[in-house]
Amino acid sequence: AQKITQTQPGMFVQEKEAVTLDCTYDTSDQSYGLFWYKQPSSGEMIFLIYQGSYDEQNATEGRYSLNFQKARKSANLVISASQLGDSAMYFCAMSFTGANSKLTFGKGITLSVRP
Amino acid sequence: SAVISQKPSRDICQRGTSLTIQCQVDSQVTMMFWYRQQPGQSLTLIATANQGSEATYESGFVIDKFPISRPNLTFSTLTVSNMSPEDSSIYLCSVDPAGGFFGYTFGSGTRLTVV
Repeated sequence: AQKITQTQPGMFVQEKEAVTLDCTYDTSDQSYGLFWYKQPSSGEMIFLIYQGSYDEQNATEGRYSLNFQKARKSANLVISASQLGDSAMYFCAMSFTGANSKLTFGKGITLSVRP
Repeated sequence: SAVISQKPSRDICQRGTSLTIQCQVDSQVTMMFWYRQQPGQSLTLIATANQGSEATYESGFVIDKFPISRPNLTFSTLTVSNMSPEDSSIYLCSVDPAGGFFGYTFGSGTRLTVV
């Protein structure tokens, strides 16, 4: 079974600073994918970044990077140069690699960016 | 990536009634996933809908309460039956058009309030 753990309480960051959102996972499978999603107050789910379990380099997408530490089973999201529009819920999720595999979500972290 | 049109975006319903939520995808996909997000909570998978066969339900969800149709590879519906206030949630459909490598795509969500 897969499990995603997000334990941070609500996070606050000053505009233009960087912030790290923590995510740990548990699986006995060797092939899996890790995802981060952003959910603003409108409720839509916005895909941010993906990391495959066999990827040797950390994934990056613009201001988002994923600090992947496989041995520690952690997949932290780093947001650089925070913007006011980054205020939202952030979910870490996991799936088995391959088509048609369901996503398992962590409970999410609320991020608030202060001007 | 795929684009999903989800309807309705929101609704307020009387208890005891049913609501059908529709998701239309702009490309053919094998599986569609239906999630529920209760207020302040994470996403929980309700069921996986495969074209041409009965949906596969997760523990705690039953077909009588959440019947799903999947008449073709681009369309699915989820019905929330005999609603109670506890069914007030955001309901989201999702697809994985690229084997998990580019992120699962979500519909914009249906915000349901049962009064």
